[in-house]
Amino acid sequence: EAEVAQSPRYKITEKSQAVAFWCDPISGHATLYWYRQILGQGPELLVQFQDESVVDDSQLPKDRFSAERLKGVDSTLKIQPAELGDSAMYLCASSTTQSTEAFFGQGTRLTVV
Amino acid sequence: GIQVEQSPPDLILQEGANSTLRCNFSDSVNNLQWFHQNPWGQLINLFYIPSGTKQNGRLSATTVATERYSLLYISSSQTTDSGVYFCAVGQTSYDKVIFGPGTSLSVIP
Repeated sequence: EAEVAQSPRYKITEKSQAVAFWCDPISGHATLYWYRQILGQGPELLVQFQDESVVDDSQLPKDRFSAERLKGVDSTLKIQPAELGDSAMYLCASSTTQSTEAFFGQGTRLTVV
Repeated sequence: GIQVEQSPPDLILQEGANSTLRCNFSDSVNNLQWFHQNPWGQLINLFYIPSGTKQNGRLSATTVATERYSLLYISSSQTTDSGVYFCAVGQTSYDKVIFGPGTSLSVIP
């Protein structure tokens, strides 16, 4: 069964360091989402791509976060510099253009120390 | 923007009991999903149900779009049903998916 792949599963980094997460969506899914989930809350959208274009990045803290999907397939989310408040689960999801049903990867759990 | 509410926020059940989780949303939607988040944090798709009723084993869901709510029914609950259940909605085909705050379910033996 096709799945959204994310790596790494876990990441511990010191504050002020750079960190990057990778996501490979389900093959053929044009829409890709990055969500952040703080413990005890629901996921919140950081950025949405349609192919290689950003559709929504209104909640992305652009002073330290960046996201790219250069060839419209896999995507990278970067944080530089990391802050203690960035500790969270980072979830990637994808969907087709025809259906808005989103499928999620296993997530990357980030701890900033 | 659209608001999503879920109730109850927390629920403790004895194994074998039935439960109903509710999701209310403040505007019309064309996408509604129910997810189960397991203890490892992965979101598992339960239902894609912008309207109507669907069933999958012990779980079923109903969305009444005109009244802006959806219900998730869990029958004969098992300990493996424990976790957080999220409702998520989207308003257009290209719209972001917005999550509710979740219902935390604990099923005890």
